[in-house]
Amino acid sequence: AQSVTQPDIHITVSEGASLELRCNYSYGATPYLFWYVQSPGQGLQLLLKYFSGDTLVQGIKGFEAEFKRSQSSFNLRKPSVHWSDAAEYFCAVGAQGYSTLTFGKGTMLLVSP
Amino acid sequence: GAGVSQTPSNKVTEKGKYVELRCDPISGHTALYWYRQSLGQGPEFLIYFQGTGAADDSGLPNDRFFAVRPEGSVSTLKIQRTERGDSAVYLCASSLSSSGANVLTFGAGSRLTVL
Repeated sequence: AQSVTQPDIHITVSEGASLELRCNYSYGATPYLFWYVQSPGQGLQLLLKYFSGDTLVQGIKGFEAEFKRSQSSFNLRKPSVHWSDAAEYFCAVGAQGYSTLTFGKGTMLLVSP
Repeated sequence: GAGVSQTPSNKVTEKGKYVELRCDPISGHTALYWYRQSLGQGPEFLIYFQGTGAADDSGLPNDRFFAVRPEGSVSTLKIQRTERGDSAVYLCASSLSSSGANVLTFGAGSRLTVL
């Protein structure tokens, strides 16, 4: 079975500073990896996904993530955070032959002025 | 429709009552998923449908929970004899297929509060 760990429950970043949210997964074969964002009262919105190929993937809103098999990680990055990026971010893992996603517990991003 | 629609957006009920939550997926999406998100937690899988049939219901916590998708489109999650611990946001998602390498599109959720 797959599992996902997001070690940071909360992160506070100054507006304009860079951001990295950590995600570690557990799965024996090549995983499918996702980052979703959830604003208050909203559903989950897909930021980016990795299925195969280039390990650095670009997403919406200026986000990117890098798949590192050796570290079982899929960290989310953004070079310059905007106040509108304040939200909760979820990493999720899927796999070939599995139709469902397993989510981490989320990281709440706070953006300070 | 353009997105996944869930109704009601909020539901407050009393312990022991019966509740139905509805999900209208994106048109043409054959796979439909229900997740539950408790406070401070990530979404947890409940059940998924491929067409009309429940392909995997291993996440349903007990037999008070049941879901149907009779015509392969709209789905209803049914909770009998609600308990305070059932309070959560119930999320529905749909996708074009259920291959694993697919993208789930989520609705805004139905927040259930059991008093």
